[in-house]
Amino acid sequence: SQQGEEDPQALSIQEGENATMNCSYKTSINNLQWYRQNSGRGLVHLILIRSNEREKHSGRLRVTLDTSKKSSSLLITASRAADTASYFCATDKGTDKLIFGTGTRLQVFP
Amino acid sequence: NAGVTQTPKFQVLKTGQSMTLQCAQDMNHEYMSWYRQDPGMGLRLIHYSVGAGITDQGEVPNGYNVSRSTTEDFPLRLLSAAPSQTSVYFCASSYRTSSAHYEQYFGPGTRLTVT
Repeated sequence: SQQGEEDPQALSIQEGENATMNCSYKTSINNLQWYRQNSGRGLVHLILIRSNEREKHSGRLRVTLDTSKKSSSLLITASRAADTASYFCATDKGTDKLIFGTGTRLQVFP
Repeated sequence: NAGVTQTPKFQVLKTGQSMTLQCAQDMNHEYMSWYRQDPGMGLRLIHYSVGAGITDQGEVPNGYNVSRSTTEDFPLRLLSAAPSQTSVYFCASSYRTSSAHYEQYFGPGTRLTVT
């Protein structure tokens, strides 16, 4: 069974707007990661947040983690057409086994 | 470095045929995994390996075999293909970082259709 559920399933915005996607998971975790998948390609790692962290930034990405609610959010600020992709959260319990969510499809219109 | 490579990119099989999906990595990563991706379901773990000679089952292992004779290669075998195995298959490798987490590097995928 999937550890992570993401919402929305799909999101359409204009360039320059911010995009927020959310991930909920079921059991305790050590780390939560976000990956991006461009159409027809493999996944690429974006950012990792540890269970003892609440917020992390990387360029235009901001990730938050609320372990009490078992949820995380990924914010992409000032989005660009090149950000069009699917975004997945993935959790682990301190091993190499990652459990992926179902993903959010982001479409950014020029 | 080529990273993680997968062959073939596309494959069509008839029900009952067998085949091997190839995966190789040149980053000397200890850990390798196979996932399948189906529409609306994210990625599901089929099998994984924590080093040469060691493999274990993931969430959806039935109908698939793996072996890990070298650090570099991690082939996935479909024993008797079924239409339910129509999917996109991704291989990934990872290593344990100094801060004790695992970041996965993915191959480009193999799109398999079973008729």
